Amino acid sequence: SQQGEEDPQALSIQEGENATMNCSYKTSINNLQWYRQNSGRGLVHLILIRSNEREKHSGRLRVTLDTSKKSSSLLITASRAADTASYFCATDGGAITQGGSEKLVFGKGTKLTVNP
Amino acid sequence: NAGVTQTPKFQVLKTGQSMTLQCAQDMNHEYMSWYRQDPGMGLRLIHYSVGAGITDQGEVPNGYNVSRSTTEDFPLRLLSAAPSQTSVYFCASSYSPGTYYEQYFGPGTRLTVT
Repeated sequence: SQQGEEDPQALSIQEGENATMNCSYKTSINNLQWYRQNSGRGLVHLILIRSNEREKHSGRLRVTLDTSKKSSSLLITASRAADTASYFCATDGGAITQGGSEKLVFGKGTKLTVNP
Repeated sequence: NAGVTQTPKFQVLKTGQSMTLQCAQDMNHEYMSWYRQDPGMGLRLIHYSVGAGITDQGEVPNGYNVSRSTTEDFPLRLLSAAPSQTSVYFCASSYSPGTYYEQYFGPGTRLTVT
């Protein structure tokens, strides 16, 4: 069953604009991760944010986490054509096993298109 | 480091055939997992392993077998292929059991079952 659900399913913007993608989840979590997938390729890890963190930055990426609303957002600033990809959130469902949940559950992804 | 490698990249099977998808990592990661990705479905966990000799089922394990005899390798076996197993399969590994660490993904195997 899906734990995280991304919104919107698809997003098309112009180069230089900011892109915001949202992820909602159902149960409490220990952490949430964001991944990028270029067409026909494997997933690449972007950011991991823990449940006691509210915001993390990495270059042009900013991730926020609101555990009270069970939601996270990924902001890409000053987007480039190379940012065209699908973006997935993944959560652990909150289970505590051997120091961390063993299962990472992915959402269905947001397909971002950045037009030159 | 090669990271996570998967072979083959593409495969076409007839219904009822069996095959093994290979996955190897050279990062000495304890945790390895197999996902399938279908259009509009995201990634779904098939099987995972927290170390050599230890495997467990994920969300969609039926029709697949795994074993983990070494830290490096985690093959996925399709016992009797069915058209419903047409999908893209990804292997992933991480430093420690699952979700406190980032997962490294292989390039995927695109499987078609006719």
